[in-house]
Amino acid sequence: AQSVTQLDSQVPVFEEAPVELRCNYSSSVSVYLFWYVQYPNQGLQLLLKYLSGSTLVESINGFEAEFNKSQTSFHLRKPSVHISDTAEYFCAVSDEGTSYDKVIFGPGTSLSVIP
Amino acid sequence: NAGVTQTPKFQVLKTGQSMTLQCAQDMNHEYMSWYRQDPGMGLRLIHYSVGAGITDQGEVPNGYNVSRSTTEDFPLRLLSAAPSQTSVYFCASTPDGGDTGELFFGEGSRLTVL
Repeated sequence: AQSVTQLDSQVPVFEEAPVELRCNYSSSVSVYLFWYVQYPNQGLQLLLKYLSGSTLVESINGFEAEFNKSQTSFHLRKPSVHISDTAEYFCAVSDEGTSYDKVIFGPGTSLSVIP
Repeated sequence: NAGVTQTPKFQVLKTGQSMTLQCAQDMNHEYMSWYRQDPGMGLRLIHYSVGAGITDQGEVPNGYNVSRSTTEDFPLRLLSAAPSQTSVYFCASTPDGGDTGELFFGEGSRLTVL
């Protein structure tokens, strides 16, 4: 993978509204894709990942992301956000068959859920 | 389950001072790494290790040293701190041989260099 773009640096959304956080990447080979979440004053936690198989992957707290190879995208969605979803979200990409030191992170999107 | 533990959580240094950021993991992961996080830039890899006694440079290694004497510990040393090293530092480990890129992170160490 050569780069990861997260077009929105900040996304404010009202509680119970839907949200989409966008992620696009560039790579000439097959990739693995990740979304990490960082809650305030904490480290990053893996939210969900795509390695192979179904292009739609889900997390345990209602987020989902769809791998679109033709558009080189891996957008993160949630149909109804909660206050507790307020956090920084990072998209990350690694080339299939390479080691983890080649993981590339996007700049992050700050999601703010408004009561 | 402790996972990946970093100390200290906060540190203020003066330019030219040295210090070590500690990282320990209790998951028996062979692969460990250090990242720095700066606003608008995501995470950038500083150094990484594929096992005890083996280290290598990442994207931004200048000004930092590492060593890996045990599987559990991977300290990051700043020999002569500079204001450009003001950042949040994260240690991470991976459980699966490093083939997929899935990482387990510590809670971070916030460093300010005056």
